[in-house]
Amino acid sequence: QSALTQPPSASGSPRQAVTISCTGTSSDIGAYNYVSWYQQHPGKAPKLIIYDVTKRPSGVPDRFSGSRSGNTASLTVSRLQAEDEADYYCCSYAGSNNYVFGTGTKVTVL
Amino acid sequence: QVQLVESGGGEVQPGRSLRLSCATSGFTLNNYGIHWVRQAPGKGLEWVSVIWYDGSNQYYADSVKGRFTVSRYNSRSTVYLQMNSLRAEDTAVYYCARGTVRAPLDVWGQGTTVTV
Repeated sequence: QSALTQPPSASGSPRQAVTISCTGTSSDIGAYNYVSWYQQHPGKAPKLIIYDVTKRPSGVPDRFSGSRSGNTASLTVSRLQAEDEADYYCCSYAGSNNYVFGTGTKVTVL
Repeated sequence: QVQLVESGGGEVQPGRSLRLSCATSGFTLNNYGIHWVRQAPGKGLEWVSVIWYDGSNQYYADSVKGRFTVSRYNSRSTVYLQMNSLRAEDTAVYYCARGTVRAPLDVWGQGTTVTV
């Protein structure tokens, strides 16, 4: 199972929006509604911020939103804040009880 | 509160074995699957394994299949990852995370470092 493809980096100024893409195949992202996104600050464990493509866990700000079109999922962070600077990973169920993560995107707040 | 704590990491020679533990608290382990995810130094996340809530099924990434074995003792609220025939490419921080089948990994431990 190959990793999902994400851009290595993305950036935006405070209060702007940034969108991160996550490209998979018809066997993972395109096949299941089980796409999740994780935020990871340096030296910390990942944190779930989006699940089932568009849903937000309790406590996650509504500045974070998810979507999908075909085999590509996207995470949008609106109204960027300094604390949003982190690595972001997508993840998809890939069938047969396998899961695949994205390559990761480093978001920089300018 | 819901918590997962990994332990058992360390430095080991290639070809040797290591067993990681994931101690859970704050929730009923019987109701949840547990995943193992690793992150090599400076690299991204890699899914490693999952064990179902009742231990009836275990699944592995191709990169560890045949070498790693996941097990659980719900009575001890602990999940284990037995790693045999370790290779240099297994060097990583290993995280355990809570998640049922096809569900997101909603709570993560702080990770334990394995160096081969």
